[in-house]
Amino acid sequence: AQTVTQSQPEMSVQEAETVTLSCTYDTSENNYYLFWYKQPPSRQMILVIRQEAYKQQNATENRFSVNFQKAAKSFSLKISDSQLGDTAMYFCAFMKSANSKLTFGKGITLSVRP
Amino acid sequence: EAQVTQNPRYLITVTGKKLTVTCSQNMNHEYMSWYRQDPGLGLRQIYYSMNVEVTDKGDVPEGYKVSRKEKRNFPLILESPSPNQTSLYFCASSLAVNNEQFFGPGTRLTVL
Repeated sequence: AQTVTQSQPEMSVQEAETVTLSCTYDTSENNYYLFWYKQPPSRQMILVIRQEAYKQQNATENRFSVNFQKAAKSFSLKISDSQLGDTAMYFCAFMKSANSKLTFGKGITLSVRP
Repeated sequence: EAQVTQNPRYLITVTGKKLTVTCSQNMNHEYMSWYRQDPGLGLRQIYYSMNVEVTDKGDVPEGYKVSRKEKRNFPLILESPSPNQTSLYFCASSLAVNNEQFFGPGTRLTVL
């Protein structure tokens, strides 16, 4: 079975600064996908970024980028130029290739201070 | 507008009273799934469906039933709800296996 660990329950960052959210996972699978989802106070789940395990290049989406270390089973999210609208809970998730089963971490609450 | 819809958005009910939470998507997605979110536990998969008439258990299926009679709909049925099923429920869909999942707005269920 897969497990996803987000060890930091909360983080805070000053507006315009950079913050990194950590995530580790455990799996015996070779083909899988990793995601970061954002959940603002509205409770909507919003996809932030996606990484395919077979790709060595780290995924980037505007201010969001990941540091994917496959051997270390680490998948951290870097948010550059933090904005007040980035305040949310962030979930790291692992998807098994065979059946699209998503396994989520417990989430981290990020607060961006003005 | 492409979306996943859930109804109702909020529901307060009593123990043992059967209920159904509907989920519908208008994107012709093959894959659909139900999750529950509880504080400190993240989201956990209840059931999923890879296509019409194909469903399978996720990590926490006890006390729930699903059906997939048509591609767009994937209702979640609680035959005899109990207080430990009080939770925030999300339906999600994706075009196919290995595609990112799009989530509905969530259903807040309270069982007294």
